Amino acid sequence: GENVEQHPSTLSVQEGDSAVIKCTYSDSASNYFPWYKQELGKRPQLIIDIRSNVGEKKDQRIAVTLNKTAKHFSLHITETQPEDSAVYFCAASRPGGTSYGKLTFGQGTILTVHP
Amino acid sequence: NAGVTQTPKFRVLKTGQSMTLLCAQDMNHEYMYWYRQDPGMGLRLIHYSVGEGTTAKGEVPDGYNVSRLKKQNFLLGLESAAPSQTSVYFCASKAGFGPGYFGEGSWLTVV
Repeated sequence: GENVEQHPSTLSVQEGDSAVIKCTYSDSASNYFPWYKQELGKRPQLIIDIRSNVGEKKDQRIAVTLNKTAKHFSLHITETQPEDSAVYFCAASRPGGTSYGKLTFGQGTILTVHP
Repeated sequence: NAGVTQTPKFRVLKTGQSMTLLCAQDMNHEYMYWYRQDPGMGLRLIHYSVGEGTTAKGEVPDGYNVSRLKKQNFLLGLESAAPSQTSVYFCASKAGFGPGYFGEGSWLTVV
């Protein structure tokens, strides 16, 4: 099955700096890659996603890039703010069929933004 | 629109006791999932369902059973709780190809 590796496990930045989190996946058939943000004691919430027919997607200060050849994708947060502090999870999913939309998650990255 | 609702939110069980977690979604999603979240291990899939009356095993199914008698509900059962099942449990639903929407989580402690 799919295996998703996420790095780094912890990331500490100063307010205003950029943060980059990287994920690699093993299943070349995966074609959907969401990113979730989870604040302490809360549920994971989708912040951005990308499909395999797109190389990059942006939403204000957040962007995701995908390299299907190398099987890795990254989350980029610019102009970080203290409220960006949370655990971030990447995930990968294959299209329909026997995968039934199952998401395989990375291990998570604890991002801390210092004021 | 409540989205995905889990009950109970917190529970303490003694080893060997049984309990059921309920997940309810009002988005008419076909697919529903139960995950457990443990420190440093991300979200691991326990069981999932692709429609009413169907269930399938995920990555870590041992010690759990599930049922989906109604499309909107997905139940996770622990027949004989063990301390290793102390975890945070999240239910999620999705409409096929797309993001999953999570419930608020259920904190379970087995003593």
